[in-house]
Amino acid sequence: AQSVTQPDIHITVSEGASLELRCNYSYGATPYLFWYVQSPGQGLQLLLKYFSGDTLVQGIKGFEAEFKRSQSSFNLRKPSVHWSDAAEYFCAVGAYDYKLSFGAGTTVTVRA
Amino acid sequence: SQTIHQWPATLVQPVGSPLSLECTVEGTSNPNLYWYRQAAGRGLQLLFYSVGIGQISSEVPQNLSASRPQDRQFILSSKKLLLSDSGFYLCAWSVRDRALNTEAFFGQGTRLTVV
Repeated sequence: AQSVTQPDIHITVSEGASLELRCNYSYGATPYLFWYVQSPGQGLQLLLKYFSGDTLVQGIKGFEAEFKRSQSSFNLRKPSVHWSDAAEYFCAVGAYDYKLSFGAGTTVTVRA
Repeated sequence: SQTIHQWPATLVQPVGSPLSLECTVEGTSNPNLYWYRQAAGRGLQLLFYSVGIGQISSEVPQNLSASRPQDRQFILSSKKLLLSDSGFYLCAWSVRDRALNTEAFFGQGTRLTVV
Protein backbone atom coordinates (compact mmCIF):
# COMPACT_ATOMS: atom_id res chain seq x y z
CA ALA A 1 0.00 0.00 0.00
CA GLN A 2 1.14 3.50 -0.70
CA SER A 3 1.19 6.26 1.90
CA VAL A 4 2.67 9.66 2.62
CA THR A 5 3.75 11.23 5.90
CA GLN A 6 4.20 14.93 6.38
CA PRO A 7 5.67 15.22 9.88
CA ASP A 8 5.10 18.94 10.29
CA ILE A 9 1.49 20.04 10.71
CA HIS A 10 2.30 23.73 10.91
CA ILE A 11 5.39 25.79 10.12
CA THR A 12 5.87 29.51 10.72
CA VAL A 13 8.59 31.26 8.79
CA SER A 14 9.66 34.88 8.42
CA GLU A 15 9.36 36.55 5.05
CA GLY A 16 12.65 36.24 3.22
CA ALA A 17 13.75 33.20 5.20
CA SER A 18 14.19 29.76 3.72
CA LEU A 19 11.54 27.07 3.92
CA GLU A 20 11.76 23.30 3.93
CA LEU A 21 8.76 20.99 4.11
CA ARG A 22 9.32 17.33 4.81
CA CYS A 23 7.68 14.42 3.05
CA ASN A 24 8.26 10.71 3.50
CA TYR A 25 6.53 8.13 1.36
CA SER A 26 5.92 4.42 1.21
CA TYR A 27 5.50 2.87 -2.22
CA GLY A 28 6.21 -0.56 -3.66
CA ALA A 29 7.76 0.57 -6.93
CA THR A 30 9.35 3.66 -8.42
CA PRO A 31 6.97 6.37 -7.33
CA TYR A 32 5.49 9.37 -9.00
CA LEU A 33 5.87 12.16 -6.43
CA PHE A 34 4.08 15.49 -6.30
CA TRP A 35 3.83 18.64 -4.26
CA TYR A 36 0.59 20.62 -4.40
CA VAL A 37 -0.36 23.92 -2.81
CA GLN A 38 -3.83 24.86 -1.65
CA SER A 39 -4.78 28.43 -0.84
CA PRO A 40 -7.77 28.97 1.46
CA GLY A 41 -11.01 27.85 -0.17
CA GLN A 42 -9.25 26.94 -3.40
CA GLY A 43 -8.46 23.76 -5.23
CA LEU A 44 -5.00 22.29 -5.62
CA GLN A 45 -2.24 23.71 -7.75
CA LEU A 46 0.68 21.54 -8.78
CA LEU A 47 4.03 22.96 -7.71
CA LEU A 48 6.28 20.24 -9.08
CA LYS A 49 6.50 16.55 -9.80
CA TYR A 50 9.07 13.78 -10.03
CA PHE A 51 8.73 10.80 -12.32
CA SER A 52 12.32 9.83 -13.08
CA GLY A 53 15.71 11.27 -13.95
CA ASP A 54 17.35 14.14 -12.12
CA THR A 55 16.51 13.85 -8.46
CA LEU A 56 16.42 17.62 -7.95
CA VAL A 57 13.22 18.96 -9.44
CA GLN A 58 12.44 22.59 -10.13
CA GLY A 59 8.87 23.81 -9.91
CA ILE A 60 6.83 26.94 -10.13
CA LYS A 61 7.01 29.93 -7.77
CA GLY A 62 10.69 29.27 -6.99
CA PHE A 63 10.13 25.91 -5.31
CA GLU A 64 12.33 22.85 -5.69
CA ALA A 65 12.27 19.34 -4.27
CA GLU A 66 14.81 16.57 -3.96
CA PHE A 67 13.99 12.89 -4.32
CA LYS A 68 16.08 10.68 -2.05
CA ARG A 69 15.29 7.04 -2.65
CA SER A 70 17.47 5.80 0.24
CA GLN A 71 15.48 7.94 2.67
CA SER A 72 12.09 7.58 0.94
CA SER A 73 11.84 11.34 1.06
CA PHE A 74 10.77 14.14 -1.25
CA ASN A 75 11.32 17.37 0.66
CA LEU A 76 10.19 20.71 -0.70
CA ARG A 77 12.35 23.82 -0.40
CA LYS A 78 12.28 27.49 -1.19
CA PRO A 79 15.29 29.75 -0.56
CA SER A 80 13.33 32.89 0.27
CA VAL A 81 9.63 32.87 1.08
CA HIS A 82 7.16 35.57 0.18
CA TRP A 83 4.00 36.45 2.10
CA SER A 84 2.02 34.95 -0.79
CA ASP A 85 3.51 31.54 0.00
CA ALA A 86 1.27 31.23 3.06
CA ALA A 87 -0.92 28.24 2.24
CA GLU A 88 -1.31 24.54 2.86
CA TYR A 89 1.09 22.20 1.12
CA PHE A 90 0.44 18.59 0.26
CA CYS A 91 2.85 15.89 -0.76
CA ALA A 92 1.42 13.01 -2.79
CA VAL A 93 2.60 9.69 -4.19
CA GLY A 94 1.16 7.55 -6.93
CA ALA A 95 1.68 6.17 -10.38
CA TYR A 96 0.78 7.02 -13.96
CA ASP A 97 -2.91 6.46 -13.22
CA TYR A 98 -2.85 9.37 -10.75
CA LYS A 99 -4.62 7.43 -8.04
CA LEU A 100 -2.77 9.49 -5.50
CA SER A 101 -2.21 9.14 -1.79
CA PHE A 102 -1.80 12.46 -0.05
CA GLY A 103 -0.18 13.44 3.19
CA ALA A 104 -2.17 15.31 5.84
CA GLY A 105 -0.64 18.59 4.73
CA THR A 106 1.60 21.26 6.22
CA THR A 107 0.21 24.72 6.85
CA VAL A 108 2.74 27.47 6.26
CA THR A 109 2.36 30.83 7.97
CA VAL A 110 4.57 33.70 6.83
CA ARG A 111 5.24 36.49 9.30
CA ALA A 112 6.40 39.92 8.24
CA SER B 1 -7.55 24.66 -23.27
CA GLN B 2 -8.95 22.21 -20.78
CA THR B 3 -11.04 23.30 -17.83
CA ILE B 4 -12.78 21.53 -15.01
CA HIS B 5 -15.97 22.80 -13.43
CA GLN B 6 -17.25 21.71 -10.07
CA TRP B 7 -20.38 22.89 -8.30
CA PRO B 8 -21.71 24.00 -5.98
CA ALA B 9 -18.83 25.71 -4.19
CA THR B 10 -20.44 25.36 -0.78
CA LEU B 11 -23.33 23.29 0.48
CA VAL B 12 -25.03 22.84 3.83
CA GLN B 13 -27.28 19.81 4.06
CA PRO B 14 -29.18 18.15 6.92
CA VAL B 15 -28.39 14.64 8.05
CA GLY B 16 -30.42 12.12 6.07
CA SER B 17 -30.85 14.33 3.00
CA PRO B 18 -29.62 13.31 -0.47
CA LEU B 19 -26.53 14.68 -2.16
CA SER B 20 -25.51 15.33 -5.73
CA LEU B 21 -22.24 17.01 -6.65
CA GLU B 22 -21.39 17.49 -10.29
CA CYS B 23 -18.11 17.80 -12.10
CA THR B 24 -17.58 18.42 -15.80
CA VAL B 25 -14.43 18.64 -17.87
CA GLU B 26 -14.11 20.65 -21.07
CA GLY B 27 -11.53 20.63 -23.81
CA THR B 28 -10.52 16.98 -23.63
CA SER B 29 -11.99 13.58 -24.31
CA ASN B 30 -11.77 10.19 -22.59
CA PRO B 31 -10.29 11.60 -19.40
CA ASN B 32 -9.65 9.65 -16.24
CA LEU B 33 -11.85 11.18 -13.54
CA TYR B 34 -11.47 11.19 -9.78
CA TRP B 35 -13.35 12.21 -6.64
CA TYR B 36 -11.25 13.05 -3.60
CA ARG B 37 -12.37 14.09 -0.12
CA GLN B 38 -10.48 16.14 2.41
CA ALA B 39 -11.80 15.72 5.92
CA ALA B 40 -10.94 18.32 8.55
CA GLY B 41 -7.28 18.05 9.58
CA ARG B 42 -6.55 15.28 7.13
CA GLY B 43 -5.12 14.92 3.67
CA LEU B 44 -7.06 14.09 0.57
CA GLN B 45 -8.40 10.60 0.19
CA LEU B 46 -9.32 9.08 -3.16
CA LEU B 47 -12.97 8.03 -3.14
CA PHE B 48 -13.72 7.07 -6.74
CA TYR B 49 -11.84 6.59 -9.97
CA SER B 50 -13.26 6.26 -13.47
CA VAL B 51 -11.64 5.37 -16.78
CA GLY B 52 -14.80 5.59 -18.88
CA ILE B 53 -18.57 5.94 -19.04
CA GLY B 54 -20.18 3.68 -16.49
CA GLN B 55 -16.80 2.43 -15.23
CA ILE B 56 -16.42 3.36 -11.58
CA SER B 57 -13.92 2.06 -9.08
CA SER B 58 -14.65 2.64 -5.41
CA GLU B 59 -11.45 3.06 -3.46
CA VAL B 60 -12.82 3.11 0.08
CA PRO B 61 -16.03 1.78 1.66
CA GLN B 62 -18.39 4.62 2.38
CA ASN B 63 -21.84 6.12 2.26
CA LEU B 64 -21.30 7.70 -1.17
CA SER B 65 -21.59 6.57 -4.77
CA ALA B 66 -20.38 7.93 -8.07
CA SER B 67 -21.64 7.81 -11.63
CA ARG B 68 -20.30 8.80 -15.02
CA PRO B 69 -23.28 9.19 -17.35
CA GLN B 70 -21.26 11.02 -20.00
CA ASP B 71 -17.61 10.98 -20.99
CA ARG B 72 -16.76 14.26 -19.27
CA GLN B 73 -19.30 14.26 -16.46
CA PHE B 74 -18.69 12.78 -13.03
CA ILE B 75 -21.33 12.85 -10.30
CA LEU B 76 -20.94 12.14 -6.59
CA SER B 77 -24.12 11.11 -4.78
CA SER B 78 -25.58 9.96 -1.53
CA LYS B 79 -29.09 8.81 -0.70
CA LYS B 80 -28.79 9.79 2.97
CA LEU B 81 -26.02 12.01 4.26
CA LEU B 82 -24.19 11.33 7.50
CA LEU B 83 -22.39 13.85 9.69
CA SER B 84 -19.15 12.11 8.76
CA ASP B 85 -19.70 13.01 5.10
CA SER B 86 -18.76 16.61 5.85
CA GLY B 87 -15.60 17.72 4.13
CA PHE B 88 -14.05 19.32 1.10
CA TYR B 89 -14.70 17.37 -2.09
CA LEU B 90 -12.42 17.74 -5.07
CA CYS B 91 -12.92 16.46 -8.56
CA ALA B 92 -9.89 15.86 -10.76
CA TRP B 93 -9.05 14.63 -14.22
CA SER B 94 -6.01 13.32 -16.07
CA VAL B 95 -5.24 12.37 -19.63
CA ARG B 96 -5.96 8.72 -20.43
CA ASP B 97 -3.02 8.31 -22.80
CA ARG B 98 -0.12 7.37 -20.57
CA ALA B 99 2.39 8.95 -22.95
CA LEU B 100 0.67 12.31 -22.58
CA ASN B 101 -0.23 11.97 -18.93
CA THR B 102 1.75 14.59 -17.03
CA GLU B 103 -0.41 15.53 -14.07
CA ALA B 104 -3.85 15.46 -12.50
CA PHE B 105 -5.88 18.68 -12.70
CA PHE B 106 -8.13 19.59 -9.79
CA GLY B 107 -11.35 21.54 -9.62
CA GLN B 108 -12.05 24.31 -7.13
CA GLY B 109 -13.81 21.98 -4.73
CA THR B 110 -17.11 21.81 -2.87
CA ARG B 111 -17.25 22.50 0.87
CA LEU B 112 -19.98 20.22 2.25
CA THR B 113 -21.26 20.67 5.78
CA VAL B 114 -23.76 18.15 7.07
CA VAL B 115 -25.76 19.47 10.01
